[in-house]
Amino acid sequence: GAGVSQTPSNKVTEKGKYVELRCDPISGHTALYWYRQSLGQGPEFLIYFQGTGAADDSGLPNDRFFAVRPEGSVSTLKIQRTERGDSAVYLCASSLVGATSYNEQFFGPGTRLTVL
Amino acid sequence: AQKVTQAQTEISVVEKEDVTLDCVYETRDTTYYLFWYKQPPSGELVFLIRRNSFDEQNEISGRYSWNFQKSTSSFNFTITASQVVDSAVYFCALDYGGSQGNLIFGKGTKLSVKP
Repeated sequence: GAGVSQTPSNKVTEKGKYVELRCDPISGHTALYWYRQSLGQGPEFLIYFQGTGAADDSGLPNDRFFAVRPEGSVSTLKIQRTERGDSAVYLCASSLVGATSYNEQFFGPGTRLTVL
Repeated sequence: AQKVTQAQTEISVVEKEDVTLDCVYETRDTTYYLFWYKQPPSGELVFLIRRNSFDEQNEISGRYSWNFQKSTSSFNFTITASQVVDSAVYFCALDYGGSQGNLIFGKGTKLSVKP
């Protein structure tokens, strides 16, 4: 079946602009995660959704970052007043959540955000 | 605090050599999971293995093997008879008991396998 998809694959914007990054998880996956990967670093957790609600947003760096998942499927990561330091690859992952088994995360290809 | 350390930033080997990638983790939880992911130049993270904290058996999958030692908080990854296609960045990650599944990644080890 289809994997996690993310759009756009690349986004170039100017400092101060607003951007939206989209994630389509694997069908049926109730858990969705956003990570940010800076150059030469490992992915860093941003936010986790279980269904429609943000179960853990402790990784969001500041209030310019916001994410939604209104219908429990597609999620959008929104960044206001972008700064050059926001430049990174934004990764989305999804997983099933089961009561008796561990469900690993499947990652999308990422969106490369460049803030000029 | 939860932390994953991959001390090797870059490793370069010649094809057919064996190579071991080191991973040291920190957590106070007794229940946790450890992972290895591969990130080829295309960028997509590929899951390789998951190991829970109660299972210290070493695992072998083809040319890949993993050595989990709780006594040293290490979860090392060995590639036997490396191939050019193994060239990638490899990440070790931790899912600790107090998390809700969000992974803590190390900084990664870039492996270059030369023909």
